[in-house]
Amino acid sequence: KQEVTQIPAALSVPEGENLVLNCSFTDSAIYNLQWFRQDPGKGLTSLLLIQSSQREQTSGRLNASLDKSSGRSTLYIAASQPGDSATYLCAARTDSWGKLQFGAGTQVVVTP
Amino acid sequence: DGGITQSPKYLFRKEGQNVTLSCEQNLNHDAMYWYRQDPGQGLRLIYYSQIVNDFQKGDIAEGYSVSREKKESFPLTVTSAQKNPTAFYLCASSIDRTGRSEQFFGPGTRLTVL
Repeated sequence: KQEVTQIPAALSVPEGENLVLNCSFTDSAIYNLQWFRQDPGKGLTSLLLIQSSQREQTSGRLNASLDKSSGRSTLYIAASQPGDSATYLCAARTDSWGKLQFGAGTQVVVTP
Repeated sequence: DGGITQSPKYLFRKEGQNVTLSCEQNLNHDAMYWYRQDPGQGLRLIYYSQIVNDFQKGDIAEGYSVSREKKESFPLTVTSAQKNPTAFYLCASSIDRTGRSEQFFGPGTRLTVL
């Protein structure tokens, strides 16, 4: 059974620093990996989707890498801002019909 | 605007009552999903549907039921058989059933049992 882990559970950085968020998964047979942002009491906002054939995906200040052989994905957020404070979740898709296996998330606080 | 709507935002249930959570999407997506989120845990899949009039159990389907009579609607009923229903419920959809498409989420419904 696929297990997805996100370490650390919480992270605090000063504004302007680059953020590095880690996601590991136990089964490398994934279709894709998706990163989400969740603000308190809100739904999930999709940030990036990396297909299994891709090594990385970029959108603005966000860059996500995928290394299936080692079972890892990393989300980089450049030049962090207080508005980046949120919980970040990664999810691996291992079934053809679309089930996502989620990590528990990393709660990020960016201090001014 | 295209998107996923969930209602109500907050829902309170008494012991022994059934309640229904609404999920509607105007994205013309084939697949729809229901997840449950508990504090400090990742999301867990309750039910999913790939096409109209078809749905499958997820990892934690006991005490829940769904229907998919229309492409745009996927309501979830929390029955009295669900032992610990207090949680945040999230509905999601994706454009197709290939397993490669991006999944989008609604704003969620917070259910509290009184």
